[in-house]
Amino acid sequence: QKEVEQNSGPLSVPEGAIASLNCTYSDRGSQSFFWYRQYSGKSPELIMFIYSNGDKEDGRFTAQLNKASQYVSLLIRDSQPSDSATYLCAVRPLTGGSYIPTFGRGTSLIVHP
Amino acid sequence: NAGVTQTPKFRILKIGQSMTLQCAQDMNHNYMYWYRQDPGMGLKLIYYSVGAGITDKGEVPNGYNVSRSTTEDFPLRLELAAPSQTSVYFCASNPRGDEKLFFGSGTQLSVL
Repeated sequence: QKEVEQNSGPLSVPEGAIASLNCTYSDRGSQSFFWYRQYSGKSPELIMFIYSNGDKEDGRFTAQLNKASQYVSLLIRDSQPSDSATYLCAVRPLTGGSYIPTFGRGTSLIVHP
Repeated sequence: NAGVTQTPKFRILKIGQSMTLQCAQDMNHNYMYWYRQDPGMGLKLIYYSVGAGITDKGEVPNGYNVSRSTTEDFPLRLELAAPSQTSVYFCASNPRGDEKLFFGSGTQLSVL
């Protein structure tokens, strides 16, 4: 069973701070890593994806991947109340040609003014 | 493009009833998926399809059935509904399976 682990939170940060969300995965052969944001009562939407070790930046968001440690993180700089949501980590393995991603349970982020 | 369209948005079933959740996409995507999401939990894969006529089980397929007769449509059938099937159901699609998922707006189902 391939596992994707996230701390369910909630993670509470003040407005303007850096929010750090973490995700670990069990399948060492995993190839692609995605972060989805899900507002309450809404469907998930992709905010970041990363395939290679290192950092990938997009605006206020930075995804960090360390395949040796089987760890992927999402940093949100200058956090805003509108960032308050659940963040889902998804990991796509490469087993037998399967592309099916496995999701973690999500981390709830609360950004307070 | 409408994207991924799910119907209905809400439904209440009695134990033992059956229903079909509809999902349609107009993006010509090959891959389609059904997930369920319980409160405070992530998405669990029920069934998926890599193209018309091809379906396969995911992590939690028991109590559900699917069909994929066209590229556009991927309905999910619940037979003999049970309280354990109370959940939010999301349909999703993507072109090649290795790209981001496009999600429908979800169906909130309660079985009482």
